[in-house]
Amino acid sequence: DAGVTQSPTHLIKTRGQQVTLRCSPISGHKSVSWYQQVLGQGPQFIFQYYEKEERGRGNFPDRFSARQFPNYSSELNVNALLLGDSALYLCASSLIWGKETQYFGPGTRLLVL
Amino acid sequence: QQQVKQSPQSLIVQKGGISIINCAYENTAFDYFPWYQQFPGKGPALLIAIRPDVSEKKEGRFTISFNKSAKQFSLHIMDSQPGDSATYFCAASSGNTGKLIFGQGTTLQVKP
Repeated sequence: DAGVTQSPTHLIKTRGQQVTLRCSPISGHKSVSWYQQVLGQGPQFIFQYYEKEERGRGNFPDRFSARQFPNYSSELNVNALLLGDSALYLCASSLIWGKETQYFGPGTRLLVL
Repeated sequence: QQQVKQSPQSLIVQKGGISIINCAYENTAFDYFPWYQQFPGKGPALLIAIRPDVSEKKEGRFTISFNKSAKQFSLHIMDSQPGDSATYFCAASSGNTGKLIFGQGTTLQVKP
């Protein structure tokens, strides 16, 4: 069984640019969450989507946005990139929203120059 | 109140020894406590998880001990192996939010 997949694996952008990261959940999973992991720290919650609706938002600026598609895949968009946005962006999927176990993908490594 | 505090930051253990990582929380609404293992360049992988209705859960060499009154939980890795060398994160979530709050991580090195 395929796990959570994310694309691209690595990305280099310059300040001010925009980036779109993609995530495909485990087959049958309907909830997707996004986390940002800065080097040397634990992941920080950004968004959670379930059945194409936003169910949770972390303490991130409006430059960060996301959406979930009818096939339950998801995109994370970050506008007006800052150097501090350099991080590993992780997508996690779970069967449903709430108390279900979350399974993480390999992440997208974003470097902002 | 949303924080999860993890210690130690780093840990060195001899092969065959016991690795112990501790976490503490403040939010009494937390009711799900997973541990994740992360290797360099990889995403976190779920290791073991516990809910507050039990005080201990064991899966193979990995055991979670949970102390609800002290608001603490810990991961014990028995017979630690060099392949266990990784970063370990505790986490917590509450109710139906599904939002995981992670600790700061513990880098474990198991020496052969």
